[in-house]
Amino acid sequence: EDQVTQSPEALRLQEGESSSLNCSYTVSGLRGLFWYRQDPGKGPEFLFTLYSAGEEKEKERLKATLTKKESFLHITAPKPEDSATYLCAVLGGGSYIPTFGRGTSLIVHP
Amino acid sequence: SQTIHQWPATLVQPVGSPLSLECTVEGTSNPNLYWYRQAAGRGLQLLFYSVGIGQISSEVPQNLSASRPQDRQFILSSKKLLLSDSGFYLCAWSFGLAGETQYFGPGTRLLVL
Repeated sequence: EDQVTQSPEALRLQEGESSSLNCSYTVSGLRGLFWYRQDPGKGPEFLFTLYSAGEEKEKERLKATLTKKESFLHITAPKPEDSATYLCAVLGGGSYIPTFGRGTSLIVHP
Repeated sequence: SQTIHQWPATLVQPVGSPLSLECTVEGTSNPNLYWYRQAAGRGLQLLFYSVGIGQISSEVPQNLSASRPQDRQFILSSKKLLLSDSGFYLCAWSFGLAGETQYFGPGTRLLVL
């Protein structure tokens, strides 16, 4: 059974204070690891898909990296508008269904 | 480009009343479609998914049902709502067969009183 654990559950940062969110996973035959951003009361917004260990993707202040056991979402010099819940999910084997973590709630204070 | 719509955005219903939530996708053909429920602090719970018209798989036996009457339309229904059906309902799509990345709709907030 695929498993995803995200840490920390909650993170408070000062504006400009860089940090990383962790997504640890176990899966049989990784087909993709996904990062989403979710604002309160809205649907998750797709950020990145990573397919193999060593892959990295960037978007503005966000950079996602992948190893064989975990993924990191690095946030460089965050701004208050980066405050959101960040969700990680993995898709393995022959499944149509990704397994989601419970998310990390990020608050960036001005 | 593809877009996904859900309605209504918010719904308040009495216990025992029926439910119909609708999801439509534009800009793609033969998508995989999904219904999730999201409860505070409990993450995303997959309810149903569909790989084609009339093909529905249920992940969790419960008070809800789903139908896919058209290629890009997915409906979540209930004959009699329970208090425990309250939550945030999300529809998502992915490209057919290959699956992979899911794209979510804006969600429907359901409150059963």
